[in-house]
Amino acid sequence: NAGVTQTPKFRVLKTGQSMTLLCAQDMNHEYMYWYRQDPGMGLRLIHYSVGEGTTAKGEVPDGYNVSRLKKQNFLLGLESAAPSQTSVYFCASSYNGFDGRYEQYFGPGTRLTVT
Amino acid sequence: QKEVEQDPGPLSVPEGAIVSLNCTYSNSAFQYFMWYRQYSRKGPELLMYTYSSGNKEDGRFTAQVDKSSKYISLFIRDSQPSDSATYLCAMRSGNQGGKLIFGQGTELSVKP
Repeated sequence: NAGVTQTPKFRVLKTGQSMTLLCAQDMNHEYMYWYRQDPGMGLRLIHYSVGEGTTAKGEVPDGYNVSRLKKQNFLLGLESAAPSQTSVYFCASSYNGFDGRYEQYFGPGTRLTVT
Repeated sequence: QKEVEQDPGPLSVPEGAIVSLNCTYSNSAFQYFMWYRQYSRKGPELLMYTYSSGNKEDGRFTAQVDKSSKYISLFIRDSQPSDSATYLCAMRSGNQGGKLIFGQGTELSVKP
């Protein structure tokens, strides 16, 4: 199993450009998440999904959109990139933790620079 | 004020030292507490998981939760250079599904 994979690994955008980050998981997890990680800020939740066809806002959703058309994929879109969106983006997935655990498995990250 | 506060460090210790990492939080509804370890340029991985108050031990690692003080700790005994990483605390309430609130992360360096 590959676990959680993210595409691309690195990207440089100019202000105003758009792009889509792809997250894929092969663990049949119901829940998927997008985070951004900035120095001194920890991980902050952007958007998440509790199942195919569902999405919800997290802590810092402005400037991002998401879609979950297939259970195994979760896409994060930037419609008009801004320098403030320079960050490392992590995708994660978890099973529906009926035991309360909800262990999140993370991808390797995408390093995005917006100039 | 952030819901979860964690000293970002960096923390540097000699090999074999006991390391104490801590987080405080403000939301009394938090019931599930986790510690993630993140190596440089990698994604976080779950290290310890604790429900409610108490201690949990796994090898050289011990997680403690004191809900009355809203304080959680991770202790690493006999620290090794391979423990050098960023440690993030995370927590959630019982009615938030899988949503986690993370601390800022503490960067730990264990010197040989």
